[in-house]
Amino acid sequence: AQKITQTQPGMFVQEKEAVTLDCTYDTSDPSYGLFWYKQPSSGEMIFLIYQGSYDQQNATEGRYSLNFQKARKSANLVISASQLGDSAMYFCAMSRNGGGSEKLVFGKGTKLTVNP
Amino acid sequence: NAGVTQTPKFRILKIGQSMTLQCAQDMNHNYMYWYRQDPGMGLKLIYYSVGAGITDKGEVPNGYNVSRSTTEDFPLRLELAAPSQTSVYFCASSYSTGGAGYTFGSGTRLTVV
Repeated sequence: AQKITQTQPGMFVQEKEAVTLDCTYDTSDPSYGLFWYKQPSSGEMIFLIYQGSYDQQNATEGRYSLNFQKARKSANLVISASQLGDSAMYFCAMSRNGGGSEKLVFGKGTKLTVNP
Repeated sequence: NAGVTQTPKFRILKIGQSMTLQCAQDMNHNYMYWYRQDPGMGLKLIYYSVGAGITDKGEVPNGYNVSRSTTEDFPLRLELAAPSQTSVYFCASSYSTGGAGYTFGSGTRLTVV
């Protein structure tokens, strides 16, 4: 069975600094995807970044980058130059690809607080 | 472009009542999903559909039913509501594998008392 582990219940960072949110995963599937979502206090799920298991390079989207270490089964999210608006819950998720559908398995999340 | 629309946004049910959570998408996505998010937790898959007329169970299907008569709509039915079903429910849709194509609705906050 697939499993996502986020070991940091809460993280604090100073504005303009970088922060790394940890995510480890477990799967026996050769093909999978790794997602990061942001959930602000308003509750919506905001897609941040995606990494496919066969992608050779680490994914980047603006200030977000995914540090993908396949052998260690880790997919950490790096946020550069933190902003106050980055304060939110962050969820790592893994997809099982089958028939075109993607069923996501989520971690428990990390609450990030950006201090001014 | 509305994306994924969920109604209602909030609902309070009494134990034993039934209700349907509505979900509609206008992106012509084949794949649709229902997740629930309990307090302090990540999302868990309830049911999913790979196309009209085809549905299947996810991780936590007990107490729920779904149908998919059209590509656009994927309602979630709660029969005999229980306090354990107090949660935030998210509908999502996708058109392919990989990232930004996976779109979530804004959620329905359900309280069973």
